[in-house]
Formats: sequence, structure tokens, C-alpha cells
Amino acid sequence: QLQLQESGPGLVKPSETLSLTCTVSSGSISGSGSSFYWGWIRQPPGKGLEWIASINYSGTTYYNPSLKSRATISVDTSKNLFSLKLYSVTAADTAVYYCARDVPSGYHDYWGQGTLVTVSS
Amino acid sequence: EVVLTQSPGTLSLSPGERATLSCRASQSVTSSSLAWYQQKPGQAPRLLIYGASSRATGIPDRISGSGSGTDFTLTISRLEPEDFAVYYCQQYCCAPLTFGGGTKVEIK
Repeated sequence: QLQLQESGPGLVKPSETLSLTCTVSSGSISGSGSSFYWGWIRQPPGKGLEWIASINYSGTTYYNPSLKSRATISVDTSKNLFSLKLYSVTAADTAVYYCARDVPSGYHDYWGQGTLVTVSS
Repeated sequence: EVVLTQSPGTLSLSPGERATLSCRASQSVTSSSLAWYQQKPGQAPRLLIYGASSRATGIPDRISGSGSGTDFTLTISRLEPEDFAVYYCQQYCCAPLTFGGGTKVEIK
């Protein structure tokens, strides 16, 4: 069973950069996983879901324009992981951040457990 | 972007009753590119339905999806205790991917 696990700091100061990593196990981002995309979705406390970005094994990326170019997603196939950086964060970026596998057409079939990131000084 | 509006916001029902959840899109969702997820407190969302009506692996047949164009429905024919949760729809026809605001199904 494919597993995804988010990791990164739980607290980030305003104006700094949020950095998260998603490690994929029991499956490969490349090889058998090469037809899939790998994405980040976030959920502010008590609110709904927002898609942030997705990437495939070769580095093709898609972003949500709402983040106004503050996000960068990258992939490291040698380590079987992908990462998210979100720049110039504010309190509005406080959320649970999920990583997920994206079926090529665009829905998310496997999810990590999520990690809460709080933006506060 | 495609805006998805879910209704009602909260559905109060008893176990054994039928639940009907609505998801309406601001423009046509082509190729029935609509998914439904279930989320319980403290957990990640779980894929239930994709392609508007195809059940994901392991989803019981009491849960079904229907609809096309701008109007989609998730139906739970007989609510089991484990079905009380929040449900989200998501469209993937058109970038950016978007989710509805969710419907909470609570025990009456």
C-alpha cells in the first residue's frame, strides 16, 4: 500500500519560507509511478481544502494562481520524495498541509496524514 | 476558475436514513471530472468517487455518485455510524483544481 509522509517545521515566522517534504514509500515516484503527479493541498483550521501545486517525476509542474507565485514544488526521484516551498508567509498560510498522489486526470487517490504549520512570531 | 457550491452546509440525519448531498459548479465540468472525498476529524480526506460515479477501491456500494455538467450528487443509501463526516467535491476538468466548501453529515 502506497504511503506518503509529510515532514517539516510546525512553526514558521511571518515573512519567512515554509518548507515541507513528502516522502513516498511502498511505491516509486518514477518507474511505476511515472504516470502520476504528486501534489500539495492545504486546509486552514476549520475550513475547506485548497490545492496548491502538483509535479510529476520529470519536473513538469502546475500551480494554483491564487498563491501568486509564492510557491515552488520540486521532486527528487533519487530519494523518492517531493517538496514544497512557500515564500513570504503570513498568518493566512496557517493550515494543515497534505501531500497526495494525483491520478493523471487530477483527483487525489492517496494522501499523507497531514502536518500542521502555524505561522506566528 | 470553477467554483463548486455544496449544499446543504449541514445535514442532520439518523443512522439508516438516506443522505443526498449536492455539488453545483459555476461552469460545466467536462468529461464528468468530479470527485468526492470523505473527511473525519483529525484525518486526511479519503477518495470515495471519481469520474462523477465510479467508486474508489474499497468503497461500499451504499455510497454512489451521479450527475453531469454543472449538477452532481453524492448519495448514501443507508447511513452507517462511520458515514458521519464531512464530504467535499472536487473538479479536475479545469485548472486550477478546486474543491467545494463541504457538507457535514451529523447524527440527528
